Amino acid sequence: GAVVSQHPSWVICKSGTSVKIECRSLDFQATTMFWYRQFPKQSLMLMATSNEGSKATYEQGVEKDKFLINHASLTLSTLTVTSAHPEDSSFYICSARVPGNTEAFFGQGTRLTVV
Amino acid sequence: GDSVTQMEGPVTLSEEAFLTINCTYTATGYPSLFWYVQYPGEGLQLLLKATKADDKGSNKGFEATYRKETTSFHLEKGSVQVSDSAVYFCALRFDNQGGKLIFGQGTELSVKP
Repeated sequence: GAVVSQHPSWVICKSGTSVKIECRSLDFQATTMFWYRQFPKQSLMLMATSNEGSKATYEQGVEKDKFLINHASLTLSTLTVTSAHPEDSSFYICSARVPGNTEAFFGQGTRLTVV
Repeated sequence: GDSVTQMEGPVTLSEEAFLTINCTYTATGYPSLFWYVQYPGEGLQLLLKATKADDKGSNKGFEATYRKETTSFHLEKGSVQVSDSAVYFCALRFDNQGGKLIFGQGTELSVKP
């Protein structure tokens, strides 16, 4: 099946710094990628949908200036958490959709801890 | 709004026991329904799906039936194995919304030998 790789798998950063998370589709070109966030014991919540070559579509309540999403190529989308604060600590997971197929394939997720 | 509710975990079973993980949904319309599994240290994998009422999804001995009348999609397996230990997510998707998934909170399953 299609493989999606997310990097890093975990990261610890200081308050006020920015962190970039990468999501790559390894063996297919992904026109659409999704970014989710999961708090402990809670659902995965969709943050935004990114389409290659255009601006991301953010879900209600997600700060687009804080969570910058770039989908500059058909195999790479990045999520940058800017000026991170402890409340941004969470599990972030991406998924990518194969063109012509509505199925989505997930990365392994990134555990972000802001101290 | 649309939502998915799963039974709380963790669920701990002995090997070869029968498994049920309950999932109910609230949605305006008729979504497709999914079960995803996340093994330790890995990403989510699609386990099974059903796209319309009364459809039964099945894979690796797991089954779930799309019940419109009870808005449910309970996951079952007749005999679990230690290797089934993972977190299971129920999700719904409307096909006209670009593939966006709405997830339940996940249920952790631990199977003991």
